[in-house]
Amino acid sequence: GAGVSQTPSNKVTEKGKYVELRCDPISGHTALYWYRQSLGQGPEFLIYFQGTGAADDSGLPNDRFFAVRPEGSVSTLKIQRTERGDSAVYLCASSRTSGIPDTQYFGPGTRLTVL
Amino acid sequence: DQQVKQNSPSLSVQEGRISILNCDYTNSMFDYFLWYKKYPAEGPTFLISISSIKDKNEDGRFTVFLNKSAKHLSLHIVPSQPGDSAVYFCAASAQGSGTYKYIFGTGTRLKVLA
Repeated sequence: GAGVSQTPSNKVTEKGKYVELRCDPISGHTALYWYRQSLGQGPEFLIYFQGTGAADDSGLPNDRFFAVRPEGSVSTLKIQRTERGDSAVYLCASSRTSGIPDTQYFGPGTRLTVL
Repeated sequence: DQQVKQNSPSLSVQEGRISILNCDYTNSMFDYFLWYKKYPAEGPTFLISISSIKDKNEDGRFTVFLNKSAKHLSLHIVPSQPGDSAVYFCAASAQGSGTYKYIFGTGTRLKVLA
């Protein structure tokens, strides 16, 4: 398909474990975003990549969260020492560029459950 | 501090009538606004957007209105159809300031009754 894809669609883990969430952006999109959505809330920004570099990581809640995009395409969000409060849907979005205006297209999300 | 607010958590409308969803914001630096529709177990789907240099943008049955002085935008759906039943999120960003992240509201659940 031509849209943003995310794997896995669901991830259940135990408190204290390490998880990796993957995002494949739309082909040719240079900007990639991670958001987190908790129940009853709107998506909350985590981090944004322009190419390979993190242009804005102001939304990462603490140093247990880290994301990479080594070749400027696929991105991986990494969460260390998971906590129950990390349970949420993690959404990835991509856009053609960070030019003005810039519309983000979202993937289906990864539902993370920390037991 | 919630910069983007959707004060109506839910809305029910009869099929064929107009649906009006509202959104308020506080940050005067926001210059690009969007509406997304979300079905259960899917990611948000882009619906329509508007730049702050305009006050109206139309796409088929969907129209977004922006009132900058009131810091208010609304989404009109005419006529409403049962397939429009979903959660609608408004989002805003301050792209002219070099900030490309979106700030989302908490969503309004629209139910269109057949």
